[in-house]
Amino acid sequence: AQTVTQSQPEMSVQEAETVTLSCTYDTSESNYYLFWYKQPPSRQMILVIRQEAYKQQNATENRFSVNFQKAAKSFSLKISDSQLGDTAMYFCAFISTSGTYKYIFGTGTRLKVLA
Amino acid sequence: GAGVSQSPSNKVTEKGKDVELRCDPISGHTALYWYRQSLGQGLEFLIYFQGNSAPDKSGLPSDRFSAERTGGSVSTLTIQRTQQEDSAVYLCASSLDGAPFTYGYTFGSGTRLTVV
Repeated sequence: AQTVTQSQPEMSVQEAETVTLSCTYDTSESNYYLFWYKQPPSRQMILVIRQEAYKQQNATENRFSVNFQKAAKSFSLKISDSQLGDTAMYFCAFISTSGTYKYIFGTGTRLKVLA
Repeated sequence: GAGVSQSPSNKVTEKGKDVELRCDPISGHTALYWYRQSLGQGLEFLIYFQGNSAPDKSGLPSDRFSAERTGGSVSTLTIQRTQQEDSAVYLCASSLDGAPFTYGYTFGSGTRLTVV
């Protein structure tokens, strides 16, 4: 069975600084995707970034980038130039390309950006 | 619709009562998912509908939980004889077939259920 672990329940960062959120996962699958979702106080989950396991190049979306280490089964999210609007819960998620299309989520990291 | 719509936004119910939570997915999305988010926990998979296929009910925690999807669109999650441990945010999401890999899910804003 696949598992996703986020070991940092809470983090804080000063506005304009850089912060890295950690995520590790366990799977025997070879083909899968990894995602980071943001959940602001509105509760609606928003896709931040995705990574295809067969791609070695780390995904980047504007101020958000990942450090994907497949052998170590690690998938961290780096937020550069943090903004107050980045304050939210962040969830790491795994989805296999086999079986049903359901995500396995981590327990989340609550990020607070300080002015 | 433009997004995934869930109702009610908040629901307070007495222990032992039945509740129904509604999800209206994005038009044309063939896949629909229900997840439960308890305080301090991640998102727990409950059930998955894909087109006309039999739903994947493997995540339903007990036989008090059931869900249906009518006409391939609106879904209702029913919890019978609610217990305090059922208190959580219930999130619905939808996607195009195959899209979870490319575009991810589109989530609703959830229903916060409180059992008193």
